[in-house]
Amino acid sequence: DAGVTQTPRHEVAEKGQTIILKCEPVSGHNDLFWYRQTKIQGLELLSYFRSKSLMEDGGAFKDRFKAEMLNSSFSTLKIQPTEPKDSAVYLCASSFGTGVYEQYFGPGTRLTVL
Amino acid sequence: SQWGEENLQALSIQEGEDVTMNCSYKTYTTVVHWYRQDSGRGPALIILIRSNEREKRSGRLRATLDTSSQSSSLSITAAQCEDTAVYFCATGYQNFYFGKGTSLTVIP
Repeated sequence: DAGVTQTPRHEVAEKGQTIILKCEPVSGHNDLFWYRQTKIQGLELLSYFRSKSLMEDGGAFKDRFKAEMLNSSFSTLKIQPTEPKDSAVYLCASSFGTGVYEQYFGPGTRLTVL
Repeated sequence: SQWGEENLQALSIQEGEDVTMNCSYKTYTTVVHWYRQDSGRGPALIILIRSNEREKRSGRLRATLDTSSQSSSLSITAAQCEDTAVYFCATGYQNFYFGKGTSLTVIP
């Protein structure tokens, strides 16, 4: 079974650029999550989708971060415009949304903003 | 913040030793998940414990949950080098709150 796929694995951007990160969840999962991970803040929720509907958009991340779920098997996270403080690992996770609610994580995209 | 601790904790132990990691949480929950993250990979669930269990074991792992003190612990018995990772606790159902994590290094 394929796990969660994320592309690219590494991204380097200049300040002010627009970048798009991609995620393919586990087939059959209903929930999809985007997180930002840093050593200082840990895992911070950016967006949460249930059956393609946006359930939570991460409050403080609203202005420059936009996640979309175009279909049940593909999601994007757009950061526009990027700032150096956005340098972090961006993780995508999916879940069945029932039972134990285990989240399956992708390997992440490491973003560096210069 | 959902969690009591604010910083990533770091522990370093010798191979063969036992280790316990703790976390406390602020919001009522009936289940705590423990995830492990290896370098360069996403977190993966290793054990979860529900409020009616108090203690749960899986191999060398042991998790406890005390809902009265809103705390949970993860113990590893006879740690091995391959246990080196960051360990997170998480509460919630559809939408998790993750703690900052404990970075465990097991030295051969």
